[in-house]
Amino acid sequence: AQSVTQLGSHVSVSEGALVLLRCNYSSSVPPYLFWYVQYPNQGLQLLLKYTSAATLVKGINGFEAEFKKSETSFHLTKPSAHMSDAAEYFCAVSDLGGGNKLTFGTGTQLKVEL
Amino acid sequence: EAGVVQSPRYKIIEKKQPVAFWCNPISGHNTLYWYRQNLGQGPELLIRYENEEAVDDSQLPKDRFSAERLKGVDSTLKIQPAELGDSAVYLCASSLEGRDTQYFGPGTRLTVL
Repeated sequence: AQSVTQLGSHVSVSEGALVLLRCNYSSSVPPYLFWYVQYPNQGLQLLLKYTSAATLVKGINGFEAEFKKSETSFHLTKPSAHMSDAAEYFCAVSDLGGGNKLTFGTGTQLKVEL
Repeated sequence: EAGVVQSPRYKIIEKKQPVAFWCNPISGHNTLYWYRQNLGQGPELLIRYENEEAVDDSQLPKDRFSAERLKGVDSTLKIQPAELGDSAVYLCASSLEGRDTQYFGPGTRLTVL
């Protein structure tokens, strides 16, 4: 069975500071990993995905994530936070053998302060 | 290109009433998913369709929930009768094929009183 753990349900950073959102996964097969962002009253938007190619994945809006198999981690980072980054972020794992079922973490609410 | 469309966006009903949600996936997407997102949680898969066929409905509470995708395009999710614990956001997603990226609609926020 797959699972995702997101450490920190709430993260607060200053505008211009580094954003680091943590995600650890558990999977019995090589995983596909995703980060989605959800703005208030909206659906989920794909930020980036890891599909067993390059371990450093670049996404939209300046975000990137690094797949570290030895640490079973897929942390999301952005060098400089912007006010518009305030949203909820979800990490998810997919076991393609299970038909692309996504298993989500519980989410991290990012707050960006002036 | 239009995204995944869902309606209604919000629904308030009393317990024991029926309710239905509608989803129109991105044009050409064969795979359609319904997820439920409880407050403060990530989405959880309810059912997945490949064209008209429900290929994974293991998490769908079949005593009160039903879904259909008759022509392999749009889909309806129904709850009858609704319970207080059904209050959640119901998200629809679609992908080109079963192994591809899922694109989500804005969701329907259901409140059961």
